[in-house]
Amino acid sequence: DGGITQSPKYLFRKEGQNVTLSCEQNLNHDAMYWYRQDPGQGLRLIYYSQIVNDFQKGDIAEGYSVSREKKESFPLTVTSAQKNPTAFYLCASSMGGRGRQPQHFGDGTRLSIL
Amino acid sequence: GENVEQHPSTLSVQEGDSAVIKCTYSDSASNYFPWYKQELGKRPQLIIDIRSNVGEKKDQRIAVTLNKTAKHFSLHITETQPEDSAVYFCAADNQAGTALIFGKGTTLSVSS
Repeated sequence: DGGITQSPKYLFRKEGQNVTLSCEQNLNHDAMYWYRQDPGQGLRLIYYSQIVNDFQKGDIAEGYSVSREKKESFPLTVTSAQKNPTAFYLCASSMGGRGRQPQHFGDGTRLSIL
Repeated sequence: GENVEQHPSTLSVQEGDSAVIKCTYSDSASNYFPWYKQELGKRPQLIIDIRSNVGEKKDQRIAVTLNKTAKHFSLHITETQPEDSAVYFCAADNQAGTALIFGKGTTLSVSS
């Protein structure tokens, strides 16, 4: 969907480095989500946020951090504590702050280790 | 914890055949069940969804059925075409209704 923009498309991380993935939406959605996708693993939830200044851990939050200072933005930081960060990262958003609404995805960021 | 199982992991059909993908979920409080299609290197896109107050929903060649008693739901694609080839994901909402739990995906290959 053109309403969700993820950047960069490709990102490389060095050992011991933190990197931040950007996610911006102009759909006026309340809820935003971050997923990690590995081959054969489906989409695993990292963090999600129902409203500004509030967020919850998903199933695999260790080694990641987020912030939600603005409704439109939900950046994800992959910290040096995440020992296996190589994956495809997808951001999504939905209306109403409830999971019972369709989620719309961005184009993703592919993160690799240098 | 909450879990969604999806089968099969791979499915190969001939063009024109039907394809069926099945999912089971663990949380009886789940009420929303979307299906996503993801082409190689692209974003997942919603193709159909169903809520717990209906048993079946159709959209052209795609249909989804839901059995809340057995806690399973299925995607049916009729008259498959090569452009249906993709990875399909099912999902169910969590108990609080605040997030989706995804299955591991089914890679569908339609050969002409």
